[in-house]
Amino acid sequence: GAGVSQSPRYKVAKRGQDVALRCDPISGHVSLFWYQQALGQGPEFLTYFQNEAQLDKSGLPSDRFFAERPEGSVSTLKIQRTQQEDSAVYLCASSSKQGRGTDTQYFGPGTRLTVL
Amino acid sequence: AQSVTQPDIHITVSEGASLELRCNYSYGATPYLFWYVQSPGQGLQLLLKYFSGDTLVQGIKGFEAEFKRSQSSFNLRKPSVHWSDAAEYFCAVAAMFSGGYNKLIFGAGTRLAVHP
Repeated sequence: GAGVSQSPRYKVAKRGQDVALRCDPISGHVSLFWYQQALGQGPEFLTYFQNEAQLDKSGLPSDRFFAERPEGSVSTLKIQRTQQEDSAVYLCASSSKQGRGTDTQYFGPGTRLTVL
Repeated sequence: AQSVTQPDIHITVSEGASLELRCNYSYGATPYLFWYVQSPGQGLQLLLKYFSGDTLVQGIKGFEAEFKRSQSSFNLRKPSVHWSDAAEYFCAVAAMFSGGYNKLIFGAGTRLAVHP
């Protein structure tokens, strides 16, 4: 079947605008992760869902960041009042089981957000 | 705290030469270790992973990695590099949290260039 997909692939926003980034995980995958990858850096954890439950949001940089997965499949990462420091690639990953260390995380292509 | 260090930011090799990318980790328990590759504009693709057992693991595209607990290292190797191997390589450790799930902690990456 298809892999993890993300949309849009590229997003340009003016500072202060709200944006919504979508992730379609592999069908049936229980776990869903969001990561932020700044230019020249490795990805950094933002938040984790197990089905529809958000079990960890410790990596969200501020209260302007909000993520949801209401039906346990598609997830949306929303950023309110975007700032220039939000410019990054946002990666979504899913895994088939309950987020154990032995579970492989499959990554989507990412959404590159540029805030002007 | 858990961390991953990739000491080499950029590496350039000639096509057909051997390759070794270094990775050192800091983690209190038995680590679950991964190498991912990221081509421009693409998501992360899993090359190989180590959970337990044989400390030399084989991956896709002819890559292998060796886990050395005494050195806290998980270096990636390939005996003969192809031009298509030019990409960014990330080492990661899966860190377990109290909720029984894991998140990936990545190094900053090593960018590989291949000369013809």
